[in-house]
Amino acid sequence: GAVVSQHPSRVICKSGTSVKIECRSLDFQATTMFWYRQFPKKSLMLMATSNEGSKATYEQGVEKDKFLINHASLTLSTLTVTSAHPEDSSFYICSAKAGGPYNEQFFGPGTRLTVL
Amino acid sequence: AQTVTQSQPEMSVQEAETVTLSCTYDTSESDYYLFWYKQPPSRQMILVIRQEAYKQQNATENRFSVNFQKAAKSFSLKISDSQLGDAAMYFCAYRTFETSGSRLTFGEGTQLTVNP
Repeated sequence: GAVVSQHPSRVICKSGTSVKIECRSLDFQATTMFWYRQFPKKSLMLMATSNEGSKATYEQGVEKDKFLINHASLTLSTLTVTSAHPEDSSFYICSAKAGGPYNEQFFGPGTRLTVL
Repeated sequence: AQTVTQSQPEMSVQEAETVTLSCTYDTSESDYYLFWYKQPPSRQMILVIRQEAYKQQNATENRFSVNFQKAAKSFSLKISDSQLGDAAMYFCAYRTFETSGSRLTFGEGTQLTVNP
């Protein structure tokens, strides 16, 4: 299957700082990328959907000024957690999908964010 | 809105035995996709099997098969000849068939333990 990478795999930061997570589709062009948040032993919660070159669509309850998403190219999307606080600590997963209704989503390996 | 329910938070099976994981969903659509994903301790999401709702034949992938009951809105996963490597969290997911709709709706997951 297609490969999606995430960087960094884990990050520890101080409260109040901003953290950027990158999601890359390595061998295909991703017209749509998704960002999920996952708490321990819980399901994936969709945060936002981004289409290349347009603004992200955020799910209800997700602060768009807190979680900035950029999808500037067909192979790269970034999630920036601004002014991070301990409650933002979580596992963040991205997925990427090529164009068309039949193409499945391919998931990145996730990023563990710990805010001290 | 579509919902996906997995009523078994935890399941266990003996190595080489068969186990069935349950999933029900609610939708008003007639065409859609259903998926089973596996998330091992590495947290990497892996697609196990996929079913198109318009297909009457149940999908199979080696030791993995589904029992798709469209009228009952049921989509169970059967794992035959269970192996230690099958131990993981399993998520059932729904995706609309519409061209513009590509988001996945996940169930809460079932943690599968395989006993040697």
